[in-house]
Amino acid sequence: DTEVTQTPKHLVMGMTNKKSLKCEQHMGHRAMYWYKQKAKKPPELMFVYSYEKLSINESVPSRFSPECPNSSLLNLHLHALQPEDSALYLCASSQGGQGTWETQYFGPGTRLLVL
Amino acid sequence: DQQVKQNSPSLSVQEGRISILNCDYTNSMFDYFLWYKKYPAEGPTFLISISSIKDKNEDGRFTVFLNKSAKHLSLHIVPSQPGDSAVYFCAASDGTSYGKLTFGQGTILTVHP
Repeated sequence: DTEVTQTPKHLVMGMTNKKSLKCEQHMGHRAMYWYKQKAKKPPELMFVYSYEKLSINESVPSRFSPECPNSSLLNLHLHALQPEDSALYLCASSQGGQGTWETQYFGPGTRLLVL
Repeated sequence: DQQVKQNSPSLSVQEGRISILNCDYTNSMFDYFLWYKKYPAEGPTFLISISSIKDKNEDGRFTVFLNKSAKHLSLHIVPSQPGDSAVYFCAASDGTSYGKLTFGQGTILTVHP
């Protein structure tokens, strides 16, 4: 099973709303990632969790707040977003360990529209 | 500063022929390279990878070639099938940052029946 699931598939929110994106994997992977992808652009890394600890924050604005409740779950809390934050948000996971970090399995993404 | 470049936005190939997708990189610290395939409304799917200690890796119809001196890699698909039509992303990692991947802009491959 190489499945990463993400909910919701689509989300429309106003600039004053608070919402959360959820990601789940049951492959026993110890690294989980959030990427942002704008239209016709490549995915860009936002956060990396390694063994449930935040390991990389790519200078993401504080209106995005990640959380890793356990090794299978990854959340992205959204608050006071801007219209330019509208994008596809992708979650990924990898085994986590020498030679395995890079092979990442992606979920289908959440398409976010901020009005 | 685009460290991974895919200079061909699109490629059109006849079914049964070879598809060759190209990727160039500028960061000499990159030592692991991957290709991902992405269908619309889906996340990227891992296809094949290569370490910098190798110059070729093969998996079924997919072969990746790495030319370190030219900082160039390519993905060969043979024979191409209509189901291969997708966006292909090249990605690179320097092996030091928890698997942080730097992606190229992607190439849209269309395989015609």
